[in-house]
Amino acid sequence: EVQLVESGGDLVQPGRSLRLSCAASGFSFDEYVMHWVRQAPGKGLEWVSGISWNSSTTAYADSVEGRFTISRDNDKNSLYLQMNSLRAEDTAFYYCAKVWDRGGSWDGFDSWGQGTLVTVSP
Amino acid sequence: SYELTQPPSVSVSPGQTARISCSGDALPKKYAYWYQQKSGQAPVLVIYDDSERPSGIPERFSGSSSGTKATLTISGAQVEDEADYYCYSTDNSGNHRVFGGGTKLTVL
Repeated sequence: EVQLVESGGDLVQPGRSLRLSCAASGFSFDEYVMHWVRQAPGKGLEWVSGISWNSSTTAYADSVEGRFTISRDNDKNSLYLQMNSLRAEDTAFYYCAKVWDRGGSWDGFDSWGQGTLVTVSP
Repeated sequence: SYELTQPPSVSVSPGQTARISCSGDALPKKYAYWYQQKSGQAPVLVIYDDSERPSGIPERFSGSSSGTKATLTISGAQVEDEADYYCYSTDNSGNHRVFGGGTKLTVL
């Protein structure tokens, strides 16, 4: 059974940093593209960032480009999101998600974690 | 920036067919994906690559795409299908990944 468990969410002040983690199990983590998706409370879904299986390619939403960094450690079956210069508008539940296809597809997230809440407030 | 446009809400009676649209300029060349999100839960992929259904998703869920519009169809909608539905796709460059604003489906 695929399991994705996020951690690291917290209450932080604007301008500070936070690192999220996602522990993966139940599948060959090193064969899949992985993503972060966020959802502000009561709002819609927003794609944040994605990373290829071997970390050679990363992608970011314009809203986080230059402030957030996605990374992974295939030996530890873990995905990370380093968030710097946090803003109030970054307040959201952050989900890690696995793509459905090990063949290199970047889209179609068939497994999601339960999310971790990041609150950015003075 | 690229946008996908969905109606805010759709309402049907149980057993009726629900159709949720998603409009985007790149949809003629890019796949659409559909997610179901029930209150307090993580999203679930219900359609990928325009019209493919993941294992475990009921057959009443189907997807189609024509021109700049993708459509999620729920044939014989059930009360348990009440949820928010989001489409997802990329722009023509493939660099910008976006979700639509979401459609609240009411079945009653």
